[in-house]
Order: sequence, then C-alpha cells, then structure tokens
Amino acid sequence: DGGITQSPKYLFRKEGQNVTLSCEQNLNHDAMYWYRQDPGQGLRLIYYSQIVNDFQKGDIAEGYSVSREKKESFPLTVTSAQKNPTAFYLCASSIDPEDEAFFGQGTRLTVV
Amino acid sequence: GENVEQHPSTLSVQEGDSAVIKCTYSDSASNYFPWYKQELGKGPQLIIDIRSNVGEKKDQRIAVTLNKTAKHFSLHITETQPEDSAVYFCAASPTRGSGGSYIPTFGRGTSLIVHP
Repeated sequence: DGGITQSPKYLFRKEGQNVTLSCEQNLNHDAMYWYRQDPGQGLRLIYYSQIVNDFQKGDIAEGYSVSREKKESFPLTVTSAQKNPTAFYLCASSIDPEDEAFFGQGTRLTVV
Repeated sequence: GENVEQHPSTLSVQEGDSAVIKCTYSDSASNYFPWYKQELGKGPQLIIDIRSNVGEKKDQRIAVTLNKTAKHFSLHITETQPEDSAVYFCAASPTRGSGGSYIPTFGRGTSLIVHP
C-alpha cells in the first residue's frame, strides 16, 4: 500500500538533546512538508522541499533542520536551539503544492 | 503572504443538524482550497477540495462553496453524525508564479462536536 510513514509515534527526550523524526513516503511525490501542531494554533509550516537536495524554510524554521537526500525521505531534526520543542509533528507529501497533501500519523515529541 | 482565517474555533451540534465552517483568505492569487478532517491522534485527511474555476462542489453529505470576489469559502456538512466529530482545517494555495510562496496556508482549525 502506498502511503506516508512517520516514526516513532511517541518520542521523549531530555532538554538540550537533538532528536530526529523520520518521514518516509512511497507515493513518488516530489513535494514534502513538515508541520508543527499546537493546541489552537493550527498547522504551522516548519520546512518544505519540492525536489531532492533542495528545501526551503517555512514560517517557524528556527531551531529545526532537515535534509532531502532521497525522494522518499525527509527527516526533521529538532535541535537544542528550539526553545519549546514539545509538540505534535506532522509530515506530509504531495505531487505538487497545488494538489492534495497526504499526511503521516504524526510524532508526539515530549521534551523533559 | 497568504493569511487564512477560520471560524468558529469550536462548533457543537446535535446529530442530524447541519454544520457550517467558514474561512476567509487574503491572497487573490489563491487557486486551490482543500478541506481536511483530523481525528484524534491522527494526521489530517482530505475530505473535499475546490479550485477557483468553480463555485460549489458536493460529495454526499459534504459540500464546499467558494466566493472569489469576497475571498471566502465554506464547508457544509448536512445530517451530521457522531463520527463527523473531529477537527476540520481549511487551506488556501496561491497559484505558482503569482509571486511569493505557493505552499498551502492552513486555518487554525474548527473542533466539531456532534452530540448523539
């Protein structure tokens, strides 16, 4: 079955540690995105990529980094510079930004 | 860039009633308007979308209307059922080449509660 997979579903980390969230898709989509979701805030764009080896900052990129070495994969690293990293993170992909986005099941990151 | 406002933030209805969620957008170059449903602990899923060349689209109990002049679009759910309870997001995507980002901008979401 084609789809987009995020792992892990739950992640706990100590303050000051970097952590990497995985996102893999087998839909052959060029565009991939990372969103952060906080209660009452909707979906805020962290980073997006429209093609391999290229990515752009979204609205809240500070404290995050990404890579796009393969079409299928778009991992997100939450660095120690992110001041409030505890949140629900969603990865998505689409053929094109003007088409339907397919979302993963999300990763809930808790920093203690 | 694009700014999308969504109202209400919470909507409570009785089973069988209709529900309407409204969104406004700021960029007249926006061309694609999807609606997503997010169930608890899951990622959003597309339920219906509309492009700027049509004014209304319907799929069973769900319909979306678009008014490009007023820059607003709405989601209509008729004969609501408890399983419609979820968070609904609207989004707007400017056309590529219109200047600025054409990545979708999302509204803040509406929590719909359908009481049996």
